Amino acid sequence: QSVLTQPPSVSGAPGQRVTISCTGSSSNIGADYDVHWYQQLPGTAPKLLIYGNNNRPSGVPDRFSGSKSGTSASLAITGLQAEDEADYYCQSYDSSLSGSIFGGGTKLTVL
Amino acid sequence: QVQLVQSGAEVKKPGSSVKVSCEASGGTFSRNAITWVRQAPGQGLEWMGGIIPIFGTANYAQKFQGRVKITADESTSTAYMDLSSLRSEDTAVYYCARAGGDYRSGWYYFDYWGQGTLVTVSS
Repeated sequence: QSVLTQPPSVSGAPGQRVTISCTGSSSNIGADYDVHWYQQLPGTAPKLLIYGNNNRPSGVPDRFSGSKSGTSASLAITGLQAEDEADYYCQSYDSSLSGSIFGGGTKLTVL
Repeated sequence: QVQLVQSGAEVKKPGSSVKVSCEASGGTFSRNAITWVRQAPGQGLEWMGGIIPIFGTANYAQKFQGRVKITADESTSTAYMDLSSLRSEDTAVYYCARAGGDYRSGWYYFDYWGQGTLVTVSS
């Protein structure tokens, strides 16, 4: 059971917009720790997608955006493309555990 | 450009130990934390711990306390993860990842990743 809760799967047609939620608690997201997002394509290492809640590293398309409110965060992907089909993970820090935590991951299927 | 290159796959017996290395190039090895994240087959990501080489003291996830040791050699820009008392549930891909941001305060993320090392624990 992950400390951060994500939906196991989401799907959307090409060109559509999808969102992936990440729900935490008062000891992590609610304690004002930043949320970060990773994309993991099959058989590869995770790749940083969003850091500091809503910042994109160089090279990440602006179709990807992040937001955070209260004890939750969201990743939005607009203009869905076939190449976006992957697993997505949120990550933050938990003060009670004194360490980093991940969500359980969300599998995005492009229909 | 930062690159992290990990050692090769390992097959271990239950009860034994494994040591995985992670050699960094580019960037400033000593001042950025190197952390370890593992992923069991078909499962999610799990943070194990990390170390800021210039300080030399590692911190660990509670789950792995007493069983994992993370070290770093500044002279070779290499970090190591040593996991002991292996059991079948430790079968996983182990990644090293560099922490961007402020590791000591909790405001950090993983901006560069190694290619992963598969550790298989089987009798």
